[in-house]
Amino acid sequence: GAGVSQSPRYKVAKRGQDVALRCDPISGHVSLFWYQQALGQGPEFLTYFQNEAQLDKSGLPSDRFFAERPEGSVSTLKIQRTQQEDSAVYLCASSPGQGARETQYFGPGTRLLVL
Amino acid sequence: AQSVTQLDSQVPVFEEAPVELRCNYSSSVSVYLFWYVQYPNQGLQLLLKYLSGSTLVESINGFEAEFNKSQTSFHLRKPSVHISDTAEYFCASSGGTSYGKLTFGQGTILTVHP
Repeated sequence: GAGVSQSPRYKVAKRGQDVALRCDPISGHVSLFWYQQALGQGPEFLTYFQNEAQLDKSGLPSDRFFAERPEGSVSTLKIQRTQQEDSAVYLCASSPGQGARETQYFGPGTRLLVL
Repeated sequence: AQSVTQLDSQVPVFEEAPVELRCNYSSSVSVYLFWYVQYPNQGLQLLLKYLSGSTLVESINGFEAEFNKSQTSFHLRKPSVHISDTAEYFCASSGGTSYGKLTFGQGTILTVHP
């Protein structure tokens, strides 16, 4: 079956531009996570959705970052006025249910480069 | 707060040799532990996980990890590696939240040489 997909796979933005990153989770998955992975580092949590509700956004680095999942399926991570420090791989993951025992299924990521 | 430390950033090894990738965690609550693998140009894939019960867990491709509560470790081992095992390996923990936010280590790049 289809896994988690993300688009675009690569994005180059000029500093100050707005970008939107899309995540298509596995159909029917309740939970959706966004992570940020800087070069040479492990992924770091950004935000969590349970269906359409954003239950945790404690990892978003600044108010320039905004995420939504309006219908409980596709999610978009938006970064306004991009800065060079936003350059990273953005990973989306989904899981069938909710809970710390669940396996998260990851997409291939969107590699963002801000010049 | 949870934290995960992978002690080796890179591990080079020859084909058919044994390997151990080290992972230590810290948590003030019950913890679940995961190893994810990232092959070149691919996304993260679950390799194995510890939830409860037997402290030794195995993957389908010959890796195993042992949960050691007293040493707060979850090291990954394989008795004989293949070229195809070349990848980056991430140790992660959850349990700090009810919904399973993962805390990752920094990753270990395993390179298997012929």
